[in-house]
Amino acid sequence: AQSVSQHNHHVILSEAASLELGCNYSYGGTVNLFWYVQYPGQHLQLLLKYFSGDPLVKGIKGFEAEFIKSKFSFNLRKPSVQWSDTAEYFCAVNYQGGKLIFGQGTELSVKP
Amino acid sequence: KAGVTQTPRYLIKTRGQQVTLSCSPISGHRSVSWYQQTPGQGLQFLFEYFSETQRNKGNFPGRFSGRQFSNSRSEMNVSTLELGDSALYLCASSDGRMVYNEQFFGPGTRLTVL
Repeated sequence: AQSVSQHNHHVILSEAASLELGCNYSYGGTVNLFWYVQYPGQHLQLLLKYFSGDPLVKGIKGFEAEFIKSKFSFNLRKPSVQWSDTAEYFCAVNYQGGKLIFGQGTELSVKP
Repeated sequence: KAGVTQTPRYLIKTRGQQVTLSCSPISGHRSVSWYQQTPGQGLQFLFEYFSETQRNKGNFPGRFSGRQFSNSRSEMNVSTLELGDSALYLCASSDGRMVYNEQFFGPGTRLTVL
């Protein structure tokens, strides 16, 4: 079955620390990959996406992600987190049409 | 452009009742997808409608149904509500005409079943 796995359920960091959130997916065919963020009390927003081309993609607010096809991975990174990055982060894979398969989410808490 | 809107934002129902949720996509978008978000199961895909036809379907029982109108607005219906249906129901819209489409999410409808 198609599935997405996020390695960490809850990550706690201090401001200025570096962030890496892991994401692996099960399907080996052509996929599109996304990271969404859900700030407290707000709706899901797109951080970045990978459709094709350069496997290193840059998104909003200084986030980037690297697609490694051989490892079925799409890890999210940020060199220096801020308190305002406190949120829940979801990795998602688009296998077909309008169907997204989401990971379980990673709750990020950044301490000032 | 206005974003995706969902109504109502909050609903409280009792077991056995039915409920209808509404979603208005971004202007020009023809695809609407529905998701259920719960603390235990996370975000799960319910179904997608494109040009008034169901194009994809998730693994939910037949109590969950939907439809799409000619103006791309979509409704989702849940009949014979169960306590486990309490969740945040999210609607996402996309252009829908490409093989892969970026989805834009609405704020959700919070359904509580008592």
